[in-house]
Amino acid sequence: AQSVTQPDIHITVSEGASLELRCNYSYGATPYLFWYVQSPGQGLQLLLKYFSGDTLVQGIKGFEAEFKRSQSSFNLRKPSVHWSDAAEYFCAASNRDDKIIFGKGTRLHILP
Amino acid sequence: SQTIHQWPATLVQPVGSPLSLECTVEGTSNPNLYWYRQAAGRGLQLLFYSVGIGQISSEVPQNLSASRPQDRQFILSSKKLLLSDSGFYLCAWRSGYTGELFFGEGSRLTVL
Repeated sequence: AQSVTQPDIHITVSEGASLELRCNYSYGATPYLFWYVQSPGQGLQLLLKYFSGDTLVQGIKGFEAEFKRSQSSFNLRKPSVHWSDAAEYFCAASNRDDKIIFGKGTRLHILP
Repeated sequence: SQTIHQWPATLVQPVGSPLSLECTVEGTSNPNLYWYRQAAGRGLQLLFYSVGIGQISSEVPQNLSASRPQDRQFILSSKKLLLSDSGFYLCAWRSGYTGELFFGEGSRLTVL
């Protein structure tokens, strides 16, 4: 069955430190891949997406993600986090024109 | 530009009462539409999706149903709410050009 796994429920990093959020998928073929962010009390906003081509994808707010086919992974990274990055992050995947399946999310906490 | 609206934003209902959450999309035609539920620690659970009028796919057997009476209208319903139906319900539409999901503001349902 198709699935998206985010192994870390909570992650805490210090402001200014680097960040990596993990995401693994299980699909028959390489799916479309997405990262969304949800700030407290807010809706979901797309950070970046991967469909094909360059495996390193740049997104908004200084985030990037790298697609690794051999590891079935699409990890999200940021070189230096800001206090405003505290939020919940969701990885998602789909086949073209099909339903989009989300992981259970990773809540990011920022230490001052 | 496209917009998506959900209502009501907040709802408190007794167990056994009916439910109707409505979602409408403007600025696009024949969108793929989705209902997700977000519960603490469970991420975004896909409930229903629709690729056209009257076409509904159910992902999780449960106490809820969905209907699409018009091209840009998607309704989530229940005849008798359960305590476990409490959660944050999100409607979304998928862009055929970019493949990404655009979410509504969400409806928070509390069943007492």
